[in-house]
Amino acid sequence: RKEVEQDPGPFNVPEGATVAFNCTYSNSASQSFFWYRQDCRKEPKLLMSVYSSGNEDGRFTAQLNRASQYISLLIRDSKLSDSATYLCVVHSFSGGYNKLIFGAGTRLAVHP
Amino acid sequence: DARVTQTPRHKVTEMGQEVTMRCQPILGHNTVFWYRQTMMQGLELLAYFRNRAPLDDSGMPKDRFSAEMPDATLATLKIQPSEPRDSAVYFCASGLPSDSWTVTGELFFGEGSRLTVL
Repeated sequence: RKEVEQDPGPFNVPEGATVAFNCTYSNSASQSFFWYRQDCRKEPKLLMSVYSSGNEDGRFTAQLNRASQYISLLIRDSKLSDSATYLCVVHSFSGGYNKLIFGAGTRLAVHP
Repeated sequence: DARVTQTPRHKVTEMGQEVTMRCQPILGHNTVFWYRQTMMQGLELLAYFRNRAPLDDSGMPKDRFSAEMPDATLATLKIQPSEPRDSAVYFCASGLPSDSWTVTGELFFGEGSRLTVL
């Protein structure tokens, strides 16, 4: 089983729609969580952190459920420019080292 | 604008050939990662250096892959001999000192080296 799992999608949504992605992680000792965005044929870039109490950044809301080992990203009022792959990222400390473990990503396509 | 630089951007080679990918991390970043990305597996961590010392290369096939940091401005990933299943995009990323990236989650990725092994 992979340490971080995501639905690969694609999620095809019209502009203005609300879309949510989920991610599960297997290591209950994981300490912090993030979402990255990766545009087609580009490098991943940090989108936002995920805090225990949930957090918002404009149209983006991230939530964490430690009990269920589950992270979500909600995008409201989708724009064409939101089309990208969203990577769930978990910080783990294992083998004596800090690591950032990436999920395989969920692809979002926003259409007019 | 500081950025991670990777070369080559694209490489097509034949099975059995040696491939070397290079990375120049952002000046002042003391943590360097090599990731491999494929459609099937996503981003996999291959190797990880702090202050040029290898900390973890458990994700790397040892028989054919090797990673080094000959100096603070250069990290290399070598595949010898290459195989078709090595075809992927290889990303280098660097992080700020004191492992602050574990709090901010921010690694700075290069544009990647797209490798095709025929």
